[in-house]
Amino acid sequence: NAGVTQTPKFQVLKTGQSMTLQCAQDMNHEYMSWYRQDPGMGLRLIHYSVGAGITDQGEVPNGYNVSRSTTEDFPLRLLSAAPSQTSVYFCASSSHSGAEAFFGQGTRLTVV
Amino acid sequence: AQSVTQLDSQVPVFEEAPVELRCNYSSSVSVYLFWYVQYPNQGLQLLLKYLSGSTLVKGINGFEAEFNKSQTSFHLRKPSVHISDTAEYFCAVSDPSNTGKLIFGQGTTLQVKP
Repeated sequence: NAGVTQTPKFQVLKTGQSMTLQCAQDMNHEYMSWYRQDPGMGLRLIHYSVGAGITDQGEVPNGYNVSRSTTEDFPLRLLSAAPSQTSVYFCASSSHSGAEAFFGQGTRLTVV
Repeated sequence: AQSVTQLDSQVPVFEEAPVELRCNYSSSVSVYLFWYVQYPNQGLQLLLKYLSGSTLVKGINGFEAEFNKSQTSFHLRKPSVHISDTAEYFCAVSDPSNTGKLIFGQGTTLQVKP
């Protein structure tokens, strides 16, 4: 059972480039979220989804887009990368409120 | 709005000593409380959670936490730590609006020394 799979694991972008971080889960979870992790700041919510076709903004959504066309996939798009988006990105899924959230292994993104 | 404060950014401790990692939260409504652990270069995994009922919650790897509603705290404890417990620990509360969102504290790095 794969759980939550994120690709790629590492990425270097130039300022202004765009890219998509992939996230897929095989647990049939309705809830999926994207977080970024920065030193001393914990994890901050970027976007989240409560089901296919439904997404909403989290705490730090600027510069990021998401879509949820299927239950399994929740890609995160960087429209025009900036150095401030250098971070480690985690995707998570859970079955319901109060349930354990399962996290991917993370994507380490560097924007130069 | 909810918020979480972890009172210590780093906690150094010797092997086999007890440890407490402190967490305070702020919320005007009831929330669910979690502790997650992150080992180097890995994702987060659940240590334990409090939903309701007994205020003392036991988790994996010998960890436990106590929910204190009056002090809005959810401190994590272990009576005897091992080198392998060296990791970053995150306290989190769930958004009560049934969205699966988690609000995390800043994290505490536990450094277990031999």
